[in-house]
Amino acid sequence: SQTIHQWPATLVQPVGSPLSLECTVEGTSNPNLYWYRQAAGRGLQLLFYSVGIGQISSEVPQNLSASRPQDRQFILSSKKLLLSDSGFYLCAWRPAVGPETQYFGPGTRLLVL
Amino acid sequence: AQSVTQLDSQVPVFEEAPVELRCNYSSSVSVYLFWYVQYPNQGLQLLLKYLSGSTLVKGINGFEAEFNKSQTSFHLRKPSVHISDTAEYFCAVSDRRSGSARQLTFGSGTQLTVLP
Repeated sequence: SQTIHQWPATLVQPVGSPLSLECTVEGTSNPNLYWYRQAAGRGLQLLFYSVGIGQISSEVPQNLSASRPQDRQFILSSKKLLLSDSGFYLCAWRPAVGPETQYFGPGTRLLVL
Repeated sequence: AQSVTQLDSQVPVFEEAPVELRCNYSSSVSVYLFWYVQYPNQGLQLLLKYLSGSTLVKGINGFEAEFNKSQTSFHLRKPSVHISDTAEYFCAVSDRRSGSARQLTFGSGTQLTVLP
C-alpha cells in the first residue's frame, strides 16, 4: 500500500531564516505531487505541483520554491521566511493515471516569529 | 478556472440530528467533485467523490452527497451525526480534462460541531 510522509511535523522559525520541508511517498511510481498551504481559518491554497522529476509548476507568486530531486520526493523551500509564511503545509499525491483522488500527508505546522 | 463556495463556515448540530453541508462550484469545464474531512492537526481524509454515473454517492462514516449539475451543487449529508463527526469539511473540484494535472480547488471549509 502507499504511504505519504512529511517532516518535520512542527517547526518554529525566526523571520528571515531558511526553510526546508520534505515530503516522500512510498509504494507508488511517478506520482503527481502537490504542496498546499492552509492559513488559520482559511481553506487550502495550492502552491506547487509536479508531474515528474524536475518538473515544477507554481500556482501563486511568493518567496517559496519547490523541487523534486527524486521521483517520490518533493521539497518546499524558502531562502528567507516571512511572518505571512506561517501556516499548515500539506503535501499530497495522486497516481499519474487511474483514480482521481489526491491523498494527503499529515502536514507540517510552521510558525514564523 | 474553477471556484468553490461553502456557504456555511460553522454548523453546530446536536448529536443524532441530521446535517447538510452546502457546496456550490463554478467552472468553465467539466469537473470531478470531492469532499474531504480534516480532524484537528491532521491531514485531509477523503470522504467521498463524484467521478461519473449515479449522482448520489455514498462515502465513509455514513456520509453521502448528491451532484446537481443544473444547480452546480454537491451538498454533503448525514442522517444522524455523532460526536466523532466534529471536524472541518472541505469541498473540492478538479478539472476532468485529460492531460491536466488534476490539481484540486478547495472551498474555505465548514466547521461541523456536534453537540451532546
